Amino acid sequence: EIVLTQSPATLSLSPGERATLSCRASQSVNRYLAWFQQKPGQAPRLLIYDASIRATGIPDRFSGSGSGTDFTLTISSLEPEDFAVYYCHQRNTWPSFGGGTKVEIK
Amino acid sequence: EVQLLESGGGLVQPGDSLRLSCAASGFTFTRHAMSWVRQTPGKGLDWVSGIVETGGNTKYADSVKGRFTISRDNAKNTLYLQMNSLRAEDTAIYYCVKDRYASLSFDFESWGQGTLVVVSS
Repeated sequence: EIVLTQSPATLSLSPGERATLSCRASQSVNRYLAWFQQKPGQAPRLLIYDASIRATGIPDRFSGSGSGTDFTLTISSLEPEDFAVYYCHQRNTWPSFGGGTKVEIK
Repeated sequence: EVQLLESGGGLVQPGDSLRLSCAASGFTFTRHAMSWVRQTPGKGLDWVSGIVETGGNTKYADSVKGRFTISRDNAKNTLYLQMNSLRAEDTAIYYCVKDRYASLSFDFESWGQGTLVVVSS
């Protein structure tokens, strides 16, 4: 089983600031990594798939990068609606998810 | 607009059975594999089971193999999860998830709102 480790667990930032979230895989997942956003009481929403492709309707302030074992989700300038929990997910082998990073208002 | 509407969750006792349903609309159901993914506060997100577009191939996580059965009715645009011999550790929100492709690529494109299953005596 591929384990995904997300860091930091919590990120405290102000609107307008840049957010950088990390996801590290226990073995290579090539580029088969996605990022989801989840707000309280809602289902996860796909942001990025295959490491760097934005899903339909996702603003370009969200970007993904990386390959192999190290991946990054960047939010260039936080909007109020971006404060949420973010999960990474790999599909290179049996699917697994990271533990999440909570982006909270500072 | 893709819509996935889960139903069938509830409170059951250990050892009981439950069947979840997911009514799909807004896309061509027969062109997409589907999965169930569950979420618990403690363990996070876990993939449970998946099925290809025809229903001819199914996969399960080890934790549910032999107890859960995934199926689909393409005439009704509906996905199912039959859950037998339920355990306390099956307590979770269960999400119906649309795959980007017809095969099981686990490229989770759209999620339903989820249905809560609580297994407790």
